[in-house]
Amino acid sequence: DIQMTQSPSSLSASVGDRVTITCRTSQTISRYLNWYQQKPGKAPNLLIYAASSLQSGVPSRFSGSGSGTDFTLTISSLQPEDFATYYCQQSYSTPWTFGQGTKVEIK
Amino acid sequence: EVQLVESGGGLVQPGRSLRLSCAASGFTFDDYAMHWVRQAPGKGLEWVSYISWNSGNLDYADSVKGRFTISRDNAKNSLYLQMNSLRAEDTALYYCVKSSAPKERDYGGNSDFDYWGQGTLVTVSS
Repeated sequence: DIQMTQSPSSLSASVGDRVTITCRTSQTISRYLNWYQQKPGKAPNLLIYAASSLQSGVPSRFSGSGSGTDFTLTISSLQPEDFATYYCQQSYSTPWTFGQGTKVEIK
Repeated sequence: EVQLVESGGGLVQPGRSLRLSCAASGFTFDDYAMHWVRQAPGKGLEWVSYISWNSGNLDYADSVKGRFTISRDNAKNSLYLQMNSLRAEDTALYYCVKSSAPKERDYGGNSDFDYWGQGTLVTVSS
């Protein structure tokens, strides 16, 4: 199984901050990496697919980069509605695994 | 508008069975593979099972293999998860999830999950 390691596990940031979350995989997955946002009590929402493609309807302040084993989700200017937990997920090989999540909290 | 509505969750004793359902609408159901993903209370996401558009290809997480069975009825736009021999560790919110890749580009489930239901809670406890 491909192991997914996100860092940090949590972070505190202020509105307007640039935020970066990292996801590292235990083996190379090309660009088969997706990012989801989950708010409390809600289902996850797809933000980025194929490492850097923005899902329709997702604000452009979200961006993704990386390939191989190292990937990044960046929020260019954190907004109040962005406080949530973020998960990476690999779609390279079954079982389809997720990172443990990064909780973004208000500073 | 894509909608996925799960049902069938509840409180069940260890060793018993439960069948989850997911009613899909807003897209051509038989064009897409589907998945079940679960989330234990306060924990992260865990993929559970996959089914191809025509039920010809099935896949399971090791944690549920041999106990859970995924199925679909394209005529009813519905997805199912039969869960047998339930354990306490199966306690979770179960999400019905749509694969983003249409059937021509689905290779065993290797795509992102573009739509999620709101989930149905399964609690396994005596």
